[in-house]
Amino acid sequence: DAGVIQSPRHEVTEMGQEVTLRCKPISGHDYLFWYRQTMMRGLELLIYFNNNVPIDDSGMPEDRFSAKMPNASFSTLKIQPSEPRDSAVYFCASSPGQGDQPQHFGDGTRLSIL
Amino acid sequence: RKEVEQDPGPFNVPEGATVAFNCTYSNSASQSFFWYRQDCRKEPKLLMSVYSSGNEDGRFTAQLNRASQYISLLIRDSKLSDSATYLCVVISGNTPLVFGKGTRLSVIA
Repeated sequence: DAGVIQSPRHEVTEMGQEVTLRCKPISGHDYLFWYRQTMMRGLELLIYFNNNVPIDDSGMPEDRFSAKMPNASFSTLKIQPSEPRDSAVYFCASSPGQGDQPQHFGDGTRLSIL
Repeated sequence: RKEVEQDPGPFNVPEGATVAFNCTYSNSASQSFFWYRQDCRKEPKLLMSVYSSGNEDGRFTAQLNRASQYISLLIRDSKLSDSATYLCVVISGNTPLVFGKGTRLSVIA
């Protein structure tokens, strides 16, 4: 079975550019999560969706970040304009439930903003 | 106090050793607990759930101490392949998972 699929795997771009990260969750999973991981802050939850609806976006650092889930099989995380401090690994994860259901992570997108 | 705290390590142990990590949590209403493993430059993967009565999976034992609000992970007979970062995860009510920053383990030959 296919796991969570993220693209691109790596992204290097100059500050000020728009960055779009993509995620395809596991089919049948109702929950989708976006995380950011850095050495300093660890793994931080940015936003999560239930049945394509954003439930909690309190982790989104600022208005430059936005996320959408137009359908059950696709989500995007967009940064516009990007800044060097946005450099991190961004993970997408999905799960069949939120409570005691484990999350399945994608391979992540390693983002570097120059 | 942070929601979930872990000793970052690194823990450097010889092959065959027994090593234990603790993870403390601040919300006494926390309900579900997990340990995840993350290899260098890879995604986190579920290692095991933590049940109230404690549970074992091969060389790995997870325990929950509600009174002192911590969970633990014990690894017996450490293997080189156990080298990774171990993340504890806590769920409280309807809030999403909260990850600790992880404890780094290096098993040395």
